[in-house]
Amino acid sequence: DAKTTQPPSMDCAEGRAANLPCNHSTISGNEYVYWYRQIHSQGPQYIIHGLKNNETNEMASLIITEDRKSSTLILPHATLRDTAVYYCIPPRDNYGQNFVFGPGTRLSVLP
Amino acid sequence: EAQVTQNPRYLITVTGKKLTVTCSQNMNHEYMSWYRQDPGLGLRQIYYSMNVEVTDKGDVPEGYKVSRKEKRNFPLILESPSPNQTSLYFCASSFGTGLGYTFGSGTRLTVV
Repeated sequence: DAKTTQPPSMDCAEGRAANLPCNHSTISGNEYVYWYRQIHSQGPQYIIHGLKNNETNEMASLIITEDRKSSTLILPHATLRDTAVYYCIPPRDNYGQNFVFGPGTRLSVLP
Repeated sequence: EAQVTQNPRYLITVTGKKLTVTCSQNMNHEYMSWYRQDPGLGLRQIYYSMNVEVTDKGDVPEGYKVSRKEKRNFPLILESPSPNQTSLYFCASSFGTGLGYTFGSGTRLTVV
């Protein structure tokens, strides 16, 4: 299984960009990287995923390094409601459905 | 509204009394999965299903059963609950490969 490493916690000022790093140096060539977040004890929420190219949607941007060993999730204008635990996950199987959620990064957006 | 619905949201039960947590999705998703979440241990997959009548064990399947008789429903069955199954449970569904899961709101189970 590909392993991921994320910082346990980060702070970000409201209105500023939040950049959340993830190291996935053992990821294989055909494995996507998925990002989810969990606000308090709610169900995790899908944010974005990518393979090689940078991706952007209405929630965030995902920057993947050329060697695919790391990625960065960017929340361009963080709000207090973005305070959550953010998980970087490569799925364990080729169907892309067997996720292992690590401890993630606890992002605190400060007023 | 597209959603994954779990019931009940909260449940307190006694050791050994069989219970079922229901999960239903209205998005015609093929893939469904159950997770449990415990402090310090994160989210761990219990069982998953890739389609009707196709299920497979996740990381912590002991003490649980599932069934997938119809595409929309994926109930989690605890035949003889024990206190170590006290946890927050999440059901999730997805269309398939390369697409993210939609999670339910969770079921907080306490076994005394």
